[in-house]
Amino acid sequence: DAGITQSPRYKITETGRQVTLMCHQTWSHSYMFWYRQDLGHGLRLIYYSAAADITDKGEVPDGYVVSRSKTENFPLTLESATRSQTSVYFCASSESNREETQYFGPGTRLLVL
Amino acid sequence: SQQGEEDPQALSIQEGENATMNCSYKTSINNLQWYRQNSGRGLVHLILIRSNEREKHSGRLRVTLDTSKKSSSLLITASRAADTASYFCAPRSGAGSYQLTFGKGTKLSVIP
Repeated sequence: DAGITQSPRYKITETGRQVTLMCHQTWSHSYMFWYRQDLGHGLRLIYYSAAADITDKGEVPDGYVVSRSKTENFPLTLESATRSQTSVYFCASSESNREETQYFGPGTRLLVL
Repeated sequence: SQQGEEDPQALSIQEGENATMNCSYKTSINNLQWYRQNSGRGLVHLILIRSNEREKHSGRLRVTLDTSKKSSSLLITASRAADTASYFCAPRSGAGSYQLTFGKGTKLSVIP
């Protein structure tokens, strides 16, 4: 019973390369979210998804692409990585209910050289 | 969605003492949630308080909500070294969006 997992946990890449961060949840939660966390900024929402094939932009979507072909997976792609995208990325999910508690993955530390 | 602002930004206490951190927000809410983040890990949900509740307890945690002042406080009693973490509040406004917006958090250090 893994809950919500992210892969890879650590990634080093170079400027201009495409990188995909994976997120998988086993609860069949409807909602999934991607955040980035940087010193001095707290957590900022990049994209979220209300269901398979439904995605929407958050606060800082530029430079990122998401897809959600299956309920359990929500990959985040950096199409052409930049140094400013060096960050810790967290995926989260929540049930479609009034409480909307979010459950977070362990995070992916990404370094763009 | 709206962002909560946690205060203080950092708090250092001795083990066994109580820790209080505050959250302020700007518009009316349906509920307010508190999360904890241990260093290098994802956030973990601690407690949710609804707009019609004034106080809620969970183990050593006590959360209060004052909707007239648009503020909430999280009290951790008899703190332990394992409570060392950052704490975030997330006020949730009305129906529609399922987003939560997190502030910069309160960094709590509990000294053994």
